[in-house]
Amino acid sequence: EAQVTQNPRYLITVTGKKLTVTCSQNMNHEYMSWYRQDPGLGLRQIYYSMNVEVTDKGDVPEGYKVSRKEKRNFPLILESPSPNQTSLYFCASLDRYYTGELFFGEGSRLTVL
Amino acid sequence: KQEVTQIPAALSVPEGENLVLNCSFTDSAIYNLQWFRQDPGKGLTSLLLIQSSQREQTSGRLNASLDKSSGRSTLYIAASQPGDSATYLCAVRLGKGGSEKLVFGKGTKLTVNP
Repeated sequence: EAQVTQNPRYLITVTGKKLTVTCSQNMNHEYMSWYRQDPGLGLRQIYYSMNVEVTDKGDVPEGYKVSRKEKRNFPLILESPSPNQTSLYFCASLDRYYTGELFFGEGSRLTVL
Repeated sequence: KQEVTQIPAALSVPEGENLVLNCSFTDSAIYNLQWFRQDPGKGLTSLLLIQSSQREQTSGRLNASLDKSSGRSTLYIAASQPGDSATYLCAVRLGKGGSEKLVFGKGTKLTVNP
C-alpha cells in the first residue's frame, strides 16, 4: 500500500529539547515536503526536497532543519523547540512525473511547553 | 504571488442535498489542482486531481471542474451524507520555476446534518 508514515503522531515536549519527527514514503517519490497547519493560517510549507541531498526553504523555515540522505526518508528536526512551534505537522510526497498527486502522512501533533 | 481562496469557510446542509464547494486562484498558470478531504486531527486524503489541460474529473458522487481562464474550480458533491462531514481543501500546483510549489486554500468545513 502506498503510504507516507510519520512518527511520532503525538508529542509533548519542553522548550529547548531537541526533537526529530521522522517521515518515510514507499512510493519512490523524489519530491518530499513538510507543512505545518495552524488554525486560521491553513497549511504552510516549511521545507521541501526535490531529491536526495537537495533541500530548500519553504514559507516558514525558521527554527527547523531537514536532511535528505535517502530517497524514502525526510526527517524534520527542531533543534531548540519553542512554544510557537506547537502545531500539527504533515509530511507529504509528490508523484512529480506521473499523476502529479500529493500524498500526505497522518500528521504529527506537537506541543511545546 | 498565487493566492487560493475557498468560500464559504463553513457550510451546513441537510442530508441528501447536492452541494458545491468553491475554490478560486489568482494566477491561471497552474500545473494542476487537487481537492483534499481532512477529518478532524487527521491527514489530508486526496479526492480528485485535475490536470491543467482537463475540464473535470469524477469519482463516485464527487465531480470537480476547472476553469483556468477564470481562476476557478468547483467540487460538486451529490446526495450528501453525514459521512461527508469534513474540511475540504483545494491546492494548486504552480507551473513556473520548477520548484513544485503548491499553494493551499484554507478550506471549507462541511457539516451534513442527518
